[in-house]
This record gives sequence, C-alpha cells and structure tokens, in this order.
Amino acid sequence: EAQVTQNPRYLITVTGKKLTVTCSQNMNHEYMSWYRQDPGLGLRQIYYSMNVEVTDKGDVPEGYKVSRKEKRNFPLILESPSPNQTSLYFCASSLGQGLNTEAFFGQGTRLTVV
Amino acid sequence: AQSVSQHNHHVILSEAASLELGCNYSYGGTVNLFWYVQYPGQHLQLLLKYFSGDPLVKGIKGFEAEFIKSKFSFNLRKPSVQWSDTAEYFCAGNTGFQKLVFGTGTRLLVSP
Repeated sequence: EAQVTQNPRYLITVTGKKLTVTCSQNMNHEYMSWYRQDPGLGLRQIYYSMNVEVTDKGDVPEGYKVSRKEKRNFPLILESPSPNQTSLYFCASSLGQGLNTEAFFGQGTRLTVV
Repeated sequence: AQSVSQHNHHVILSEAASLELGCNYSYGGTVNLFWYVQYPGQHLQLLLKYFSGDPLVKGIKGFEAEFIKSKFSFNLRKPSVQWSDTAEYFCAGNTGFQKLVFGTGTRLLVSP
C-alpha cells in the first residue's frame, strides 16, 4: 500500500531537548516536504527536498533542520524546541514539485513543547 | 505571490443541507487546484483535484468542485451533507514549478 509514515504520532517534550520526527515514503517519490498546521493559518511549508541531498527552506524554516540521505526518508529535526513550535506536523511526498503532481500526506505528528 | 484564500472559516449546517465552500486563487496561467479533507484527529485526504480539462471535477464521497477561470475560483460543493462530513476542508493550489500553497481551512460542523 502506498503510504507516507510518520513517527511518533504524539510527542510531548520540554524546551531545549532535541527531537527528531521521522518520515518515510514507499512510492519512490523524489519530492518530500514538511508542513506545520496551526489554527487559522492552514498548512505552512517548513522545508522541502527535491531529491537526495537536495533540501531547501520553505516559508517557516526557523528552528528546524532536515536531511535527505536516502530517497525514502526525510526526518525533521528540532535541535532546541521551543513552545512556539507546539503544532501539528505533516510530512508529504510527491513525484515532483509543480503542475500535475499530487501530494500524499502522512498521519501527522502532534508535538507539544512545554 | 501565489495565494489561496478560503472565505468561510467556520460553517455549521444541518444534515441534508447543501454545501458550498469558497476558494479563490491568485495565480495567472496554468494552475492545479485541490481540495483536501481532514477528519478529526486524522491526516489530510485528497477529495478531488483539477489539472486540466472538464472544469467540473467530481471527487470522493459525493463532493464536486467547479473551476471558474474568470472568477479565479474553485468552490467545493455537495448537494446533501451528512453528519460524517464534519471535518476541516483545505483548498490548495500550485502553478508552474511552484510549491503547493494551502488556504487557511474551513471547519464544517454538520448537526444531526
């Protein structure tokens, strides 16, 4: 079954404690991205990756890092989480960026930073 | 800058009422448009998409949307909603090699 898998689904952590949210897709997609979803703001892109070892900032990259060492995996790293990073995070993948491509989303990770 | 706007932030309907959720986009030229649904506690699911061709697009669960280029609109419709349609709905779009941009979402509550 084609899917995007994120882990964990729920995470509560303390300010400053490094964490990683994993994302894996089994569709051989080149393009992967991370979004955060906040009430009244919709989904905003944090980082994206066009292919292995190619990553770039989205609209709200501050406080986040990503890596793309393998095509299927695209982890999101918070080196020093802060309460304003409390949010719902989604990983997405697609064949590419731009026209005539459809994005597939993971189940989401609800992060709370206290 | 490219943008997608949804005018209704919250909509409350009774079962069997008709639904129309507004979506406007700011792109010129060729555009792809999508409607996603997010049921409580779940991830985003694609309801329908417009790439080209027939401007009336039919999706899953009885939803449809009409691409009206002259109005820069892609409104979502359903003739008769059910309680199970309670969810948050997101319009999204992109053009050229640009990333997918989302609207701020519309929360729909259907009362039984």
